[in-house]
Amino acid sequence: GENVEQHPSTLSVQEGDSAVIKCTYSDSASNYFPWYKQELGKGPQLIIDIRSNVGEKKDQRIAVTLNKTAKHFSLHITETQPEDSAVYFCAATGQGAQKLVFGQGTRLTINP
Amino acid sequence: NAGVTQTPKFQVLKTGQSMTLQCAQDMNHEYMSWYRQDPGMGLRLIHYSVGAGITDQGEVPNGYNVSRSTTEDFPLRLLSAAPSQTSVYFCASSYTRVATEAFFGQGTRLTVV
Repeated sequence: GENVEQHPSTLSVQEGDSAVIKCTYSDSASNYFPWYKQELGKGPQLIIDIRSNVGEKKDQRIAVTLNKTAKHFSLHITETQPEDSAVYFCAATGQGAQKLVFGQGTRLTINP
Repeated sequence: NAGVTQTPKFQVLKTGQSMTLQCAQDMNHEYMSWYRQDPGMGLRLIHYSVGAGITDQGEVPNGYNVSRSTTEDFPLRLLSAAPSQTSVYFCASSYTRVATEAFFGQGTRLTVV
């Protein structure tokens, strides 16, 4: 089945700098790659996703890139703000997109 | 719309007790699922359903049962609670029959002593 590895597990950046979180997946048939943000005491919230027929997608300060050949995808956050501090999870679909497999999570801290 | 609603928010059980975690969604979503979240392990899929009357196992189904008698509700039953089931449980739903664009509930923190 699908396996998703996420790095780094913790990331600390200065406010205004960029943050990059990387994930690799194992199943070449996976075709949907979402990113979730989880704030303390809350459920994960979808912030951006990308499908396998697209190499890059942007939404304001966040972007996701996908390299299907290398089987990795990344989340880029530019001009970071204190409210970006949270745990971020990547995921990939396995088994006909009926199972979402998550990475281990990255705790992002934005230092003022 | 309330979205995905989970009850209770917190629960303490004794080893061997049974209980049901409730999940309801008011978005007419076909797909519903249950995850557990443990430190350093991300979210792991327990069971999922692609529509009323249909359920299937995820990565970690042992010790849990589900049923889907209506589109709106997807309860998770712990048959005989064990300390290893101490975790935060999340329910999620998607408008299609696949796990894309999933909406998550606020979670249930379960402690088994």
